[in-house]
Amino acid sequence: DTAVSQTPKYLVTQMGNDKSIKCEQNLGHDTMYWYKQDSKKFLKIMFSYNNKELIINETVPNRFSPKSPDKAHLNLHINSLELGDSAVYFCASSRSTSTDTQYFGPGTRLTVL
Amino acid sequence: GQSLEQPSEVTAVEGAIVQINCTYQTSGFYGLSWYQQHDGGAPTFLSYNGLDGLEETGRFSSFLSRSDSYGYLLLQELQMKDSASYFCAVTDSSASKIIFGSGTRLSIRP
Repeated sequence: DTAVSQTPKYLVTQMGNDKSIKCEQNLGHDTMYWYKQDSKKFLKIMFSYNNKELIINETVPNRFSPKSPDKAHLNLHINSLELGDSAVYFCASSRSTSTDTQYFGPGTRLTVL
Repeated sequence: GQSLEQPSEVTAVEGAIVQINCTYQTSGFYGLSWYQQHDGGAPTFLSYNGLDGLEETGRFSSFLSRSDSYGYLLLQELQMKDSASYFCAVTDSSASKIIFGSGTRLSIRP
C-alpha cells in the first residue's frame, strides 16, 4: 500500500544508453512531478503533470522525456545518457496544484558509467 | 529571481534545541514548507506556514515572517533519529511551483 512508488530503485548503465524510470501513485492526486537530486543534495524540479497534462518543464535537455499515460502514472525516459545525468531521481505527487504538499517516492539512484 | 538560503550544516547535542533558518527571495510568495530527508531516503513533509507566526507539531515548530522573507524550523528535545537533512521550500505562486533550498545537514551528538 505504498503511496508513491518508483522502479527501479537502482540503475547502473553505460554512457549513451537509453533508460526509463516508472512512477505510480495511489493517493488519488492530480499532479505528479519528477525531481533531480544531485550529489550535493540540491533538489530541483524537472517536470510537472496535472491530469496527464504537462504544466512545468524546467530547462531540462530534450533527452529527457516524461510520459503520463494516466494521472496515477508518470514515467521518465532518458535518451543518450551522459555522466552528468548521474543523480537520484524522485517522483512526487500532490493533491491538486503544484503548490500543495509534495509526497515523494523512494527515489531511483541512477549511475552512468 | 528566486533564491533560498539556509545553513549547510548544523551540529547539536541530544536533548537540546536547534533552530534552522531560511531566507528567501521569490517573485511571488505563497508559503514556506519544511521537509526532512534521512540519508538514502526520500524527502518527507514536516510543516507549512502560509501566514506569519508559529506553527507547532509535536517537537517541531516552524515560524514565518513574510515582511522579513524569513522563516525557521525549531526542533526541541533532539533525538539521534533527528539527524537528517532539512530543506526549506518556497511555494512560488507566480511560477506555480515549489522551490527547494539546498538543505541543512543536522548532526546530533550524544
